[in-house]
Amino acid sequence: DSGVTQTPKHLITATGQRVTLRCSPRSGDLSVYWYQQSLDQGLQFLIQYYNGEERAKGNILERFSAQQFPDLHSELNLSSLELGDSALYFCASSDRVKRSPDTQYFGPGTRLTVL
Amino acid sequence: GESVGLHLPTLSVQEGDNSIINCAYSNSASDYFIWYKQESGKGPQFIIDIRSNMDKRQGQRVTVLLNKTVKHLSLQIAATQPGDSAVYFCAEPFNQGGKLIFGQGTELSVKP
Repeated sequence: DSGVTQTPKHLITATGQRVTLRCSPRSGDLSVYWYQQSLDQGLQFLIQYYNGEERAKGNILERFSAQQFPDLHSELNLSSLELGDSALYFCASSDRVKRSPDTQYFGPGTRLTVL
Repeated sequence: GESVGLHLPTLSVQEGDNSIINCAYSNSASDYFIWYKQESGKGPQFIIDIRSNMDKRQGQRVTVLLNKTVKHLSLQIAATQPGDSAVYFCAEPFNQGGKLIFGQGTELSVKP
C-alpha cells in the first residue's frame, strides 16, 4: 500500500458526460501528479500540483482540468467525455522540493470506461 | 530527446532463475532513474531508484545497474518468484522536473 488513495475505483459513464476523480496523497506529501494509462499510449503525464498550485502540465486536453485543495487532496475533472478517454487514471504523490528529483508513489488508479 | 525505452516487451523466466530487464534512455543529462512494478489492475509500485553518481544499487533481491556511457540501465531480479510476474517500467524525471517519462514496459512472466 503506497499510502495514496483514489476514488472511485471504477467509473462507467456515457459520452458527453462529466466525471470527477479524487486523490488523497500520502501524509505529508505536497505534490500530486495525474497520469493517464491507455493501451496504446502507455503511462502519460497529465498535470502536477504542488501545495495547491499548478506546477507542470503535460499533454492534458482542454476538456480536462484539475485542482489541489488546501487539505492537499486533488481532483481531476474530465468533461465532454469521448470513447477515447477510457483509460486508467493514476494519481501519484511526492514530497518534492523544487528542482529536486523525488520518488513518486502511485495510487491504485481509477478505471474509467466511456460507453 | 525525451524518451525512455525498453528493449524487450516480454520476458519469460523459470521460477528460481534470475531476470534481467533492460532500459535505454536518450537524455545524457538525466541524473535519476526509477524502476516501477505494475501488477494487473494495480498502480505502479516503486521498486528501486538510482542516481547518476552511482553505477549500481542493490535492494532486496533486486539490483539496478546504470551504464552512463551507453545510456542504459537494467533491473536484475534474483531468484524470480511467481509474485514477480508483472509489467516493469523504467522512468526518469523530464528535464529534472516533476514529470516522469515512462518506458513502454516489459512484461515479466514467471513459469512455475
